[in-house]
Amino acid sequence: QQQLQESGPGLVKPSETLSLTCTVSGGSISSSSYYWGWFRQPPGKGLEWIGSIYYSGSTYYNPSLKSPVTISVDTSKNQFSLKLSSVTAADTAVYYCARQLGARPFDHWGQGTLVTVSS
Amino acid sequence: DIQMTQSPSTLSASVGDRVTITCRASQSFSSWLAWYQQKPGKAPKLLIYKASNLESGVPSRFSGSGSGTEFTLTISSLQHDDFATYYCQQYYSYPYTFGQGTNLEIK
Repeated sequence: QQQLQESGPGLVKPSETLSLTCTVSGGSISSSSYYWGWFRQPPGKGLEWIGSIYYSGSTYYNPSLKSPVTISVDTSKNQFSLKLSSVTAADTAVYYCARQLGARPFDHWGQGTLVTVSS
Repeated sequence: DIQMTQSPSTLSASVGDRVTITCRASQSFSSWLAWYQQKPGKAPKLLIYKASNLESGVPSRFSGSGSGTEFTLTISSLQHDDFATYYCQQYYSYPYTFGQGTNLEIK
């Protein structure tokens, strides 16, 4: 049973870069069957897909995000990461990482981590 | 982008009731639709995939149907554990998009 765990700073200043890492345990991130995704949920609001990455490094991003996004993978550490640049208060949210198996939706999620953008 | 519209936004019901939540898409995408349940402070939990397939371990009182642009999630007999927020999500094309959520509350 794979498990995912987000980690990173809980407080980021406006205009700085939000950086989070998702560590995958119980299986290899390099499996050709999986895509790995990032989501967020502002307090009291709905879910938003940020982007996904394949183990090979192919990436897919949500163009509606105002802050530039980069998702990367480190197969040696079994981790994938999210960077959101030039953040504003609107980027305050609980951030989740999740696994997508083939043509299925996201079936394994991390517990989520709250990131607050504030000076 | 495919816009997903859920209704109702809030649903008040009692234990034992049968409830239905609807999700409409702005364009057709066959059956690439998922339903998730989310409880406060928790990650979403996958209930239904490909519109009507029950995820392993999910009680059979949950069912999904539909294709094209209209989809439904039905809970046949509400249990206490089912009071939560429910989201639909299309995973047919990027960017993946969610409905705004349905808050299922106790009447």
